[in-house]
Amino acid sequence: DIQMTQSPSTLSASVGDRVTITCRASQSISRWLAWYQQKPGKAPKVLIYKASSLESGVPSRFSGSGSGTEFTLTISRLQPDDFATYYCQQYNSDWWTFGQGTKVEIK
Amino acid sequence: HLQLQESGPGLVKPSETLSLTCTVSGDSISSNSYYWGWIRQPPGKGLECIGSIYYTGSTYYNPSLKSRVTISVDTSKNQFSLKLISVTAADTAVYYCARLRLGIKGGMDVWGQGTTVTVSS
Repeated sequence: DIQMTQSPSTLSASVGDRVTITCRASQSISRWLAWYQQKPGKAPKVLIYKASSLESGVPSRFSGSGSGTEFTLTISRLQPDDFATYYCQQYNSDWWTFGQGTKVEIK
Repeated sequence: HLQLQESGPGLVKPSETLSLTCTVSGDSISSNSYYWGWIRQPPGKGLECIGSIYYTGSTYYNPSLKSRVTISVDTSKNQFSLKLISVTAADTAVYYCARLRLGIKGGMDVWGQGTTVTVSS
């Protein structure tokens, strides 16, 4: 199994802040990584695919980067609607796995 | 537009079988561009992929659940289903179905709303 490790687990930030979340893979996954946003009681929503491609309809303040084993999700200017939990997911292998999640809280 | 809807019992007794169905509307499940998957989320915890299926019936399962899981597809009804046997309280979760993109995009782009399954006597 490819293990995905996110950091931090929780992040406290203010509206307007620049926020960065890191995701590390236990082995190289090339650029086969997606990022999701999940709000309480809702299904996850894909934000980024193939490490850095913005999903249609997602605001441009979200961006992704990385390749191999280290990836980041950046929110350039945090908005009130962005307080949520974020997950990375690899799809390099036949078996897709998620990171444990990063909760972005209001500071 | 494409919608996925999970259905099935919300309460299952320990040692019994959990059975859920995902109905796909707005597009055909028989597309060569997608797999169809099940994901679950225990209360207060993260997301776990259970397994996925192609319209031809080809499947992938989470190795940790493989001995208890069966995913099947019914293209005539535009549905795919999950069976999880010998359930315990640890299988209590919100269960989601989702569309998995193949090719250069990847990721799960369409999700059902989720259905809560509680394992309890």
